[in-house]
Amino acid sequence: DTGVSQNPRHKITKRGQNVTFRCDPISEHNRLYWYRQTLGQGPEFLTYFQNEAQLEKSRLLSDRFSAERPKGSFSTLEIQRTEQGDSAMYLCASSLVLGQGTGKVENIQYFGAGTRLSVL
Amino acid sequence: SQQGEEDPQALSIQEGENATMNCSYKTSINNLQWYRQNSGRGLVHLILIRSNEREKHSGRLRVTLDTSKKSSSLLITASRAADTASYFCATDGDDYKLSFGAGTTVTVRA
Repeated sequence: DTGVSQNPRHKITKRGQNVTFRCDPISEHNRLYWYRQTLGQGPEFLTYFQNEAQLEKSRLLSDRFSAERPKGSFSTLEIQRTEQGDSAMYLCASSLVLGQGTGKVENIQYFGAGTRLSVL
Repeated sequence: SQQGEEDPQALSIQEGENATMNCSYKTSINNLQWYRQNSGRGLVHLILIRSNEREKHSGRLRVTLDTSKKSSSLLITASRAADTASYFCATDGDDYKLSFGAGTTVTVRA
């Protein structure tokens, strides 16, 4: 178990360019989450997958944001036509969640080190 | 939107002292978790307390939960320089995501 891995660690891009980040979760985890974190704030939920299914994406910040997890393993987060306001830390987390229904789920998440995006 | 709010925003203490931070939230929860984040790094899970629990311990950590007041506290006893970090509470009301507060930044002076 090598933990959650994110690449690249840092990305500098020019406004208007597309960027893609990759997340490799802990191998036995079935859930994968993407968060955005700006300076002085806590992580803000963006989207999540259970295996390969994207079960919640309404929190993606705009239609320029998209995420995939094609085989239920690694995931990518793409931002198209980047804007300066997209500059932030993008965090990925994974968890193993068994069972359904409220009150029965302990969703302990394991985070990667993040990808810091700077849009010039 | 972020449900949890930590208080204070920043805390500076001497090594060996205790550090206490509080978290308030707005809606009902199933669990509440505390995470630590070292500068520029990802978050690390510290402790989870269920909504039907009032207090929980893990090593030098003590967490309390008062669901009637919608609040929680994290106590770190006998602090060390390595405890310097930001601490976040995260509420777990839905089964798919956590809602984080803005965090408390703790500085432990040697």
